[in-house]
Amino acid sequence: DADVTQTPRNRITKTGKRIMLECSQTKGHDRMYWYRQDPGLGLRLIYYSFDVKDINKGEISDGYSVSRQAQAKFSLSLESAIPNQTALYFCATSLGGSGGDEQFFGPGTRLTVL
Amino acid sequence: AQTVTQSQPEMSVQEAETVTLSCTYDTSENNYYLFWYKQPPSRQMILVIRQEAYKQQNATENRFSVNFQKAAKSFSLKISDSQLGDTAMYFCAHYSGGSNYKLTFGKGTLLTVNP
Repeated sequence: DADVTQTPRNRITKTGKRIMLECSQTKGHDRMYWYRQDPGLGLRLIYYSFDVKDINKGEISDGYSVSRQAQAKFSLSLESAIPNQTALYFCATSLGGSGGDEQFFGPGTRLTVL
Repeated sequence: AQTVTQSQPEMSVQEAETVTLSCTYDTSENNYYLFWYKQPPSRQMILVIRQEAYKQQNATENRFSVNFQKAAKSFSLKISDSQLGDTAMYFCAHYSGGSNYKLTFGKGTLLTVNP
C-alpha cells in the first residue's frame, strides 16, 4: 500500500463550489505539506504543518485553507473554487529534524474548475 | 529569498547516451540541501538524488550523479546510459531548514529519451 495517499485522484467541479482534497499518510511523519503544480511553474507551496497544532502559510495560500485532523491526515479546502485554481495538487510528508528533511509525495490530485 | 533556476525547459537524448541537466540557485545560507526529483508521466514525484552543501564530494546514485559547485551555486544532474524509463520532468530543489523552513523548486526540465 502507498505510504502517502490522496483522494480524489481526479476532480472536475464548477466555479463557486467548495472542494476538499484529502491526504493520509502511514509513514508516521509529523510534517505535511500541500503544493500545487502548474505547467511551466514547478511546484509551489500552499500550506505546511509541522505537527497537529502547527499550521503555516506557504507562498500561495490565498483562496485555500487547511485542516490537520490528526498526525496522519491533512486536508486542503477551496472554499469557493475559481478556474485559475485548476492545477495538479500534491500532498507531501517529511520526518523533520536534521539531514535535509526529504519529502515523500502522494500521487497527486488533478483538479479542474470549470 | 531562495530561487532555483532551470534554464533548459526541454531536452532530449538518445538511449544509452549521457545527458546533463542544469540547475543554479541563489541562497544566503551556508548550510542547505539540494535535491533532484523526477516526475514521470505517471506524475508521481520521485527523489533521484540529494546533496548536502557541507559535503564537497558529489553525490552518486547508480546512473545518476551531480556536479555540485558551491561557489558558483550550480547543481547539475548527469544521467549516464540513458534509458527510455528516464523520460520524465526533472525538478531541482533547494532546502533550507531550521526555523526558516523552505523547499524551493525550479520550474523543471522535460527530458525525453529517444530509442
